[in-house]
Amino acid sequence: KAGVTQTPRYLIKTRGQQVTLSCSPISGHRSVSWYQQTPGQGLQFLFEYFSETQRNKGNFPGRFSGRQFSNSRSEMNVSTLELGDSALYLCASSLSRGRRYGYTFGSGTRLTVV
Amino acid sequence: KNEVEQSPQNLTAQEGEFITINCSYSVGISALHWLQQHPGGGIVSLFMLSSGKKKHGRLIATINIQEKHSSLHITASHPRDSAVYICAVRSGETSGSRLTFGEGTQLTVNP
Repeated sequence: KAGVTQTPRYLIKTRGQQVTLSCSPISGHRSVSWYQQTPGQGLQFLFEYFSETQRNKGNFPGRFSGRQFSNSRSEMNVSTLELGDSALYLCASSLSRGRRYGYTFGSGTRLTVV
Repeated sequence: KNEVEQSPQNLTAQEGEFITINCSYSVGISALHWLQQHPGGGIVSLFMLSSGKKKHGRLIATINIQEKHSSLHITASHPRDSAVYICAVRSGETSGSRLTFGEGTQLTVNP
């Protein structure tokens, strides 16, 4: 059974550019959540998607956005990149919403903004 | 003060030692997760707890809801246990759930 797949694994972008990251959940999982990990702030919640709808959003500026498709795959987009957006971006999938369901994490996309 | 506090931040042990990592939280939660992160970034979910105790191999996780405290124990530690261990709490079920993370505990087990 394939795990959570994130692409690309590594990415280098220039300040001011935009970037799109992709997350394919485990087959049958309908909930996808995104997280940012930086040395200074640690892991922080970005968004949660379920049934193509954003269910919750963390405390990030509007430059961070996302969406989920009908096959549960999700993308997140960061526009007007800043140096501080350099981070490991992780997504996690879950069978459904609700506290009974655990998370399976992807390997992450390491974004470097120069 | 962070909503999720872990201790210690760094831990060095000799192979075979019993290890305990602690997590305290200040918010109402619906579940608590223990995660393991190896160099390179990938995260593995070890336990999901809402009460009591769970055991998987040499790993044991406990939670005391009244005290808002959880512990992760590793018995007979091994160098391959070297990793960052992260406590995360799930909250906000009615308004949209989210995970809030502790800062992590860097564990190094020496042979």
